[in-house]
Amino acid sequence: EIVLTQSPDTLSLAPGEKATLSCRASQSVSNSHLGWYQQQPGQAPRLLIYFASIRATGIPARFVGSGSGTDFTLTIIRLEPEDSAVYYCQHYGGSPYTFGQGTKLEIK
Amino acid sequence: VLLVESGGRLVQPGGSLRLSCAASGLTFGDFWMTWVRQAPGKGLEWVASIDQDGGETHYVDSVKGRFTISRDNMYNSLSLQMDRLRVEDTALYYCARAGSSGATSLAYWGQGTLVAVSS
Repeated sequence: EIVLTQSPDTLSLAPGEKATLSCRASQSVSNSHLGWYQQQPGQAPRLLIYFASIRATGIPARFVGSGSGTDFTLTIIRLEPEDSAVYYCQHYGGSPYTFGQGTKLEIK
Repeated sequence: VLLVESGGRLVQPGGSLRLSCAASGLTFGDFWMTWVRQAPGKGLEWVASIDQDGGETHYVDSVKGRFTISRDNMYNSLSLQMDRLRVEDTALYYCARAGSSGATSLAYWGQGTLVAVSS
C-alpha cells in the first residue's frame, strides 16, 4: 500500500502570495497517477490536477501540479480568498487508491 | 454530470445499509465508479471502486468482506451494500466518477449521503 504524506498540515498565507503544498509517497507512484483535490467547507471535493500536472477542466492556471516518482507538489500562485480550503492528493496507480491526510490552506 | 447519493441513515452496530448513487448526464457504462467516505471532521478515505461491467472491484482493507460495490448500467445506478456495520464506518459517503481506463482521478462527485452507526 502506498502511503501519501502531505505537508504542511496547515498553511496560512495572504492574498497574492504563493502556496506550495507537498505530497510524498512511501513508494513510487506509477506513471504519475496522482491527483489533487480541493475541498471547501461543506462541499464535495473538486478535482484540480490529474496525472500530477494536468489541470482539470475549468481549473485556473494559478494551480500548478508538478513532480514524479515519490515527490509531488501543488503550487497555487497569486492566492485569492476563495482558495481557502483543504487540499488532498490521491494516487491511482493501483489499489488501494489512498488519499493523503490533507493540507488546510488559510487565507489571512 | 450529476451524481445523487441516497440511502444514508442512522443504523445500529452490526446492522446493514444499502447506499445508492443515481447518475445522469454521462454514458454511465463507459466509466469506473468509486465510493469515497469522510468521517466527521476527518479527511477523505477511498472505499471501493468498480469497473465498467462490474467484473473488477477493489476495496480498502477495512471494509473487505463487509461491503459490496455493484452497478446496474441499465439504470445508471451504483450501489454500496454495507453489512456488519461498525461505529467507525460513520461518515459522509460520496459517489464519484473515475475514468474509462481504470480507477483514475475522480472528476465528478455527488454531494454525499450520511451514514451514522451508533447504538
